Amino acid sequence: EDKVVQSPLSLVVHEGDTVTLNCSYEVTNFRSLLWYKQEKKAPTFLFMLTSSGIEKKSGRLSSILDKKELFSILNITATQTGDSAIYLCAVEFGGAQKLVFGQGTRLTINP
Amino acid sequence: SQTIHQWPATLVQPVGSPLSLECTVEGTSNPNLYWYRQAAGRGLQLLFYSVGIGQISSEVPQNLSASRPQDRQFILSSKKLLLSDSGFYLCAWTKGLAGGPGYNEQFFGPGTRLTVL
Repeated sequence: EDKVVQSPLSLVVHEGDTVTLNCSYEVTNFRSLLWYKQEKKAPTFLFMLTSSGIEKKSGRLSSILDKKELFSILNITATQTGDSAIYLCAVEFGGAQKLVFGQGTRLTINP
Repeated sequence: SQTIHQWPATLVQPVGSPLSLECTVEGTSNPNLYWYRQAAGRGLQLLFYSVGIGQISSEVPQNLSASRPQDRQFILSSKKLLLSDSGFYLCAWTKGLAGGPGYNEQFFGPGTRLTVL
């Protein structure tokens, strides 16, 4: 069964801290791994990773994929209260661009 | 630019009543379309996807059905709602063109929060 597991499920830190979110997966016919941020309603796209060891970076956020060990991490440096959200990891598998999502990590940044 | 709409935004329905949620996409053609459900505090579960008009694939056995009567319209339905159908329903689309820019990225609608009482 294809599955994606995220950890931790919940994380509370202070503003300015650095956090690392984890995502491990077991899928057949892996195509890509995606990270989304969900605040109140629709998830918004952060990164798509297809190759091992190549870091994707956007401002204070960065992500990397390890296809040998089947995991990815999402790093957020110098966290701000606006980073508070649920972070979702998803893996595209098979055809038709289907995604299987992890449970999400609820990140809370306290001022 | 492309936009995706869902309605209604919220819905409260009694057990046993029918359901119809609608999703439409603007600014693109021949998209792949998806219905997800998100239970409280959980990740997204893929319910249905469609690669073209009239083509529906179901991912999990359930009380729901989906239809795609037009290229950019995707409908989620039920004849009789169950308590377990409560959740946040999200529609998403992708460009459906292999290898093109943004191929893998799924764009999500604003969602419908369904409460079955």
